[in-house]
Order: sequence, then C-alpha cells, then structure tokens
Amino acid sequence: SQKIEQNSEALNIQEGKTATLTCNYTNYSPAYLQWYRQDPGRGPVFLLLIRENEKEKRKERLKVTFDTTLKQSLFHITASQPADSATYLCALQSFGNEKLTFGTGTRLTIIP
Amino acid sequence: NAGVTQTPKFQVLKTGQSMTLQCAQDMNHNSMYWYRQDPGMGLRLIYYSASEGTTDKGEVPNGYNVSRLNKREFSLRLESAAPSQTSVYFCASSGLGSYEQYFGPGTRLTVT
Repeated sequence: SQKIEQNSEALNIQEGKTATLTCNYTNYSPAYLQWYRQDPGRGPVFLLLIRENEKEKRKERLKVTFDTTLKQSLFHITASQPADSATYLCALQSFGNEKLTFGTGTRLTIIP
Repeated sequence: NAGVTQTPKFQVLKTGQSMTLQCAQDMNHNSMYWYRQDPGMGLRLIYYSASEGTTDKGEVPNGYNVSRLNKREFSLRLESAAPSQTSVYFCASSGLGSYEQYFGPGTRLTVT
C-alpha cells in the first residue's frame, strides 16, 4: 500500500539556522508533491508545489527538492525564525488525480 | 473574500445522534474535499466532489454522506455518530487546473 513518511515527528532548530524536513514515500509514483504549513487550531496552508520533472523549487526562504529515484523530497527553510514554528505536511498527487495523500507531518520549533 | 468557511467550529454529540457539517467557498472553485485529521494519522480524505453534482469516496468514507448542494457548498453528514468519528474535520477546495488546495478552519467534533 502507499506510504508517506515524514521522518521526524518533531524537530528543534536554532534561530538563524537552516531547517531541513524530509518526506519519503513508497509504492507511489507521484506526479506532483506539495508542502503545506499548519498552525495549531488552523487548517493547512499551501506553500509550494514541485513536479516530478523538477529537481528544485524556491520561494523566498523556502526550497524544495524532489528526487524520484530516492523517492524523497527535502523541504528547507533558510535563516529560520521563531515565526516559522509550525507543523509542515507533505502531500503527494498522481497525474490526472485530484486527490492528495498526506504525510503525518513534522512539528518544527525554532528556538530563539 | 472569506475563502473556505466551515460551521460549526466545535460540536459535541452523543453516540447515535446525527449532524451535518457545512462548508462553503467563495473562490469559484470546481473541486471540494472533506478530510478528517487524527493524531498520528495525518489528513485522510473522506469524500470529494470534482464538480457540482458529482461526489466520490475517498480513503475513509464509511459512516459519512455528502451533498454538493451547488458550486459553493459541500456538506458532510454523520447519520449515526460513533466515538470513532471524534476528530477534526477540514473542508478544502481547489480551482480547475490548479493543484493546491485551500482549507477551511476546521470543525472539532467530539462523540461521547
């Protein structure tokens, strides 16, 4: 069966450092991979989408990589700030399928 | 422009009671989704609707029914609530040809 693993339930990073979150998947051939941010008591908010034929995508301090050979995506936040503290979810989507399959998330805490 | 709205925000039901969770979006999106989020399980798709008048089952549809009332509104009904349906429920929508989903603030449901 399809499985998505986000390797850490929780990650603590010192302010100013780069936070790196991992999303691994098995038994899946996604065409698109998305990252969402979720704050406590709120719904997820879309951050970035990367396609299977793209190696890397950037948006301001965010960078996502997608390696279909390793079946892995890395999500980087550079120059991290306490305001970046949240749970980050990865989600996979097959080509032509509107449904998303979500990982369980990584709770990131940026320590001042 | 309110985005995706959900009512109610909180609800407590007794086992066997029924209720309907309401969702509306004002972004003219074609697709709408219902998810549940449980600790350690991530977001799981209950039902989705690719367009007005169509609905399809997701990963965990048992015990739920949905209605796509019009393009704006997508409701989720629990006919006979069970304690296993205690969860946070999120509605989401996405536009035609667009893959990112926009989420509502969620409904926290407790079934005793």
